[in-house]
Amino acid sequence: EAGVAQSPRYKIIEKRQSVAFWCNPISGHATLYWYQQILGQGPKLLIQFQNNGVVDDSQLPKDRFSAERLKGVDSTLKIQPAKLEDSAVYLCASSRRGDVSPDTQYFGPGTRLTVL
Amino acid sequence: KQEVTQIPAALSVPEGENLVLNCSFTDSAIYNLQWFRQDPGKGLTSLLLIQSSQREQTSGRLNASLDKSSGRSTLYIAASQPGDSATYLCAVSWAGNMLTFGGGTRLMVKP
Repeated sequence: EAGVAQSPRYKIIEKRQSVAFWCNPISGHATLYWYQQILGQGPKLLIQFQNNGVVDDSQLPKDRFSAERLKGVDSTLKIQPAKLEDSAVYLCASSRRGDVSPDTQYFGPGTRLTVL
Repeated sequence: KQEVTQIPAALSVPEGENLVLNCSFTDSAIYNLQWFRQDPGKGLTSLLLIQSSQREQTSGRLNASLDKSSGRSTLYIAASQPGDSATYLCAVSWAGNMLTFGGGTRLMVKP
């Protein structure tokens, strides 16, 4: 089966600009996660969707970050406006159910964002 | 605050050596603990998952142990190979499937 797809793979923008990332999860996976991984650190969960509803977004900086998962399949993560400290790799993951634990998460290759 | 710590941050060993990676966590009331591998420019791959009721899990040359009372887990890699070079991440679930990751240990196995 195809894995989690993300695009773009790399993005360079200037501070205060806007940027959007796209994620296509594994077919049939109900749960989708967005993580932020700053260089030298482990991933930090930003938001978790169950189908098209938000399960947890407690660590999402809502003044500048937004995410949506229309129709419970693809998802986009947006940053507006970007700050220097948003430079990181943004990872998308999906899992089959999410409402049972444990549920294996499958990760995409990530989008590396550089904010100048 | 629930935190996960991994020490050392980087490790270099000669090929063939057995090695241990360490993970510690602050709250013993975990659901499960996972070890992931991350290769440069790629996503994470799950290696082993230990449920809170288990003490260890094994897969090939990898063995992960869990000691909830002391808040520690170790990942043992036997007979290391250059292909094992990667960053190893420990992640703890304290609620459902929400994972809290450590900072990782960057492993280099030299031929």
